Amino acid sequence: DAKTTQPTSMDCAEGRAANLPCNHSTISGNEYVYWYRQIHSQGPQYIIHGLKNNETNEMASLIITEDRKSSTLILPHATLRDTAVYYCIVRVAAGGTSYGKLTFGQGTILTVHP
Amino acid sequence: GAGVSQSPRYKVAKRGQDVALRCDPISGHVSLFWYQQALGQGPEFLTYFQNEAQLDKSGLPSDRFFAERPEGSVSTLKIQRTQQEDSAVYLCASSLSGQVSQPQHFGDGTRLSIL
Repeated sequence: DAKTTQPTSMDCAEGRAANLPCNHSTISGNEYVYWYRQIHSQGPQYIIHGLKNNETNEMASLIITEDRKSSTLILPHATLRDTAVYYCIVRVAAGGTSYGKLTFGQGTILTVHP
Repeated sequence: GAGVSQSPRYKVAKRGQDVALRCDPISGHVSLFWYQQALGQGPEFLTYFQNEAQLDKSGLPSDRFFAERPEGSVSTLKIQRTQQEDSAVYLCASSLSGQVSQPQHFGDGTRLSIL
């Protein structure tokens, strides 16, 4: 799976948009970008994923650059409950032998402050 | 419940004891994954099931680790002759199918402490 690079930590003011970047310059054409977050003492929570196009759901938006070498997760109105470790993961599409396992890096610690 | 359920939530064992960790996936989910998360690290893959078939066990750290899913639903991760380095959070995840376009949904894990 392609390696991802994320900032170690970020801060955001409550009510503001949180923009979390991820670099995946070695991504292949059949690999998906997945975002998970993990709040202390809980399991990772799925947020969103995409292949080529930008995606939006009730939690967040995912912006993928045209060359697919980087992406940004956007939390439009951050709240204190969004404080967590955010993981950007590149995952091989169907046909690979990895069976879709997730390879987690260190992630970005997002702290939302009042 | 609608989510992945793991039990026990916490487990303390003495070095050398055997332990069994249970995972109840989301109903109807074909794929089931086990991960191990050491303190301060991201989760690491252990093993993967598609229904009752264990298709990938490349992440199991030693032959003391054994996983099963005999009826294609509930799964058990067993660790024999536990060692201190086995102390970690063990996470289970399930997904609707084996397609990688389907997200994995995680339980809250079992925190295992080996004394």
